[in-house]
Amino acid sequence: GESVGLHLPTLSVQEGDNSIINCAYSNSASDYFIWYKQESGKGPQFIIDIRSNMDKRQGQRVTVLLNKTVKHLSLQIAATQPGDSAVYFCAENRAGGGADGLTFGKGTHLIIQP
Amino acid sequence: GAVVSQHPSRVICKSGTSVKIECRSLDFQATTMFWYRQFPKKSLMLMATSNEGSKATYEQGVEKDKFLINHASLTLSTLTVTSAHPEDSSFYICSARDNVPRGDGLNQPQHFGDGTRLSIL
Repeated sequence: GESVGLHLPTLSVQEGDNSIINCAYSNSASDYFIWYKQESGKGPQFIIDIRSNMDKRQGQRVTVLLNKTVKHLSLQIAATQPGDSAVYFCAENRAGGGADGLTFGKGTHLIIQP
Repeated sequence: GAVVSQHPSRVICKSGTSVKIECRSLDFQATTMFWYRQFPKKSLMLMATSNEGSKATYEQGVEKDKFLINHASLTLSTLTVTSAHPEDSSFYICSARDNVPRGDGLNQPQHFGDGTRLSIL
């Protein structure tokens, strides 16, 4: 079965609020995780990534948290804007230095309400 | 930086036609590129890993004779869907990863093209 999955298919938040998108993975050997944003009709856009030896990384308005104990990954988006509306995928890289392709989760559709 | 261009963006053709899709890394070199397939409202599924100068590695269940991959240079990989049928209709997306290591110790992430929507009549 899939080794990466999402808790919620759709998440609706008010513009300006913070949002948290969750992801569970089952392959404890995975050593690299990425969050992507996909807008309709386009390819996934890289947001932020994290290695298994980290538990937190921050970018501009985004933070990724990794909890290896419970195999859980989350993406926090601060002060959401209309342009944040999209489908968000977590993805894991099978252990092996990054040479393998990615295994994607099911995706969460983030809707920003005005 | 890290732009991946995919062409064409949309193809509509008759059953039995072979279709070639190009994936180019515009501002970096990529020894390894990847091909994914995505069905409507679904996630991306890895089809194959394209390696410059060598044979592609296909995922289980993906027919290598159906989906021909050629990675002739460090900036170009092509996917040819041979004798396409309606069940091959899908959104095909490629990605590429920069050969140059990052300075922060993390992997180079895969950067994606904008996909090719293939419709077989």
